[in-house]
Amino acid sequence: DTGVSQNPRHKITKRGQNVTFRCDPISEHNRLYWYRQTLGQGPEFLTYFQNEAQLEKSRLLSDRFSAERPKGSFSTLEIQRTEQGDSAMYLCASSLVEQGLYEQYFGPGTRLTVT
Amino acid sequence: KNEVEQSPQNLTAQEGEFITINCSYSVGISALHWLQQHPGGGIVSLFMLSSGKKKHGRLIATINIQEKHSSLHITASHPRDSAVYICAVGQGGSEKLVFGKGTKLTVNP
Repeated sequence: DTGVSQNPRHKITKRGQNVTFRCDPISEHNRLYWYRQTLGQGPEFLTYFQNEAQLEKSRLLSDRFSAERPKGSFSTLEIQRTEQGDSAMYLCASSLVEQGLYEQYFGPGTRLTVT
Repeated sequence: KNEVEQSPQNLTAQEGEFITINCSYSVGISALHWLQQHPGGGIVSLFMLSSGKKKHGRLIATINIQEKHSSLHITASHPRDSAVYICAVGQGGSEKLVFGKGTKLTVNP
């Protein structure tokens, strides 16, 4: 399977714990995006990388959130001291930046439940 | 007011009906995307367009840049088309997507 993969698919954690999610993009894609989707809403942009550089972060990304993309390949999203409001689906997407328009390919998402 | 507005929020149709979902946006865009999301969360890109019209099988997407409006049409709808359809616009050099809230479509046999 050469699509975008995310792990874990589901995560249940207690409030105050730290969690880390992983996204493996399509191998030749140089852009990687993280989005968050709460129940009944459309996804919201969190951050994106071009290769290993994190170029933009949303104001939604509080200081408890950190994302990395070492070596421009897979990416991790860590949430420290989780809160119930962090419960959501975390979506990763990747794209290849070339001339023209850039279609994004989405992973299956990681559903986080904070109890 | 959201930057991307979709209508209707919910839509129920009988198999075979012609379906239209509308999307209006209020910001400058590089491209407009139509996405499909099934229960469980997975999102599939259906169309990406910046002008005119595109067609894939029974799906047709149109965009009017001047009016900042796009429509997604499904001809001869089928129960397997039941899903949430999301309109999103790409912005700026980042091409980050700004999403509508989605339209939940249910097609009954």
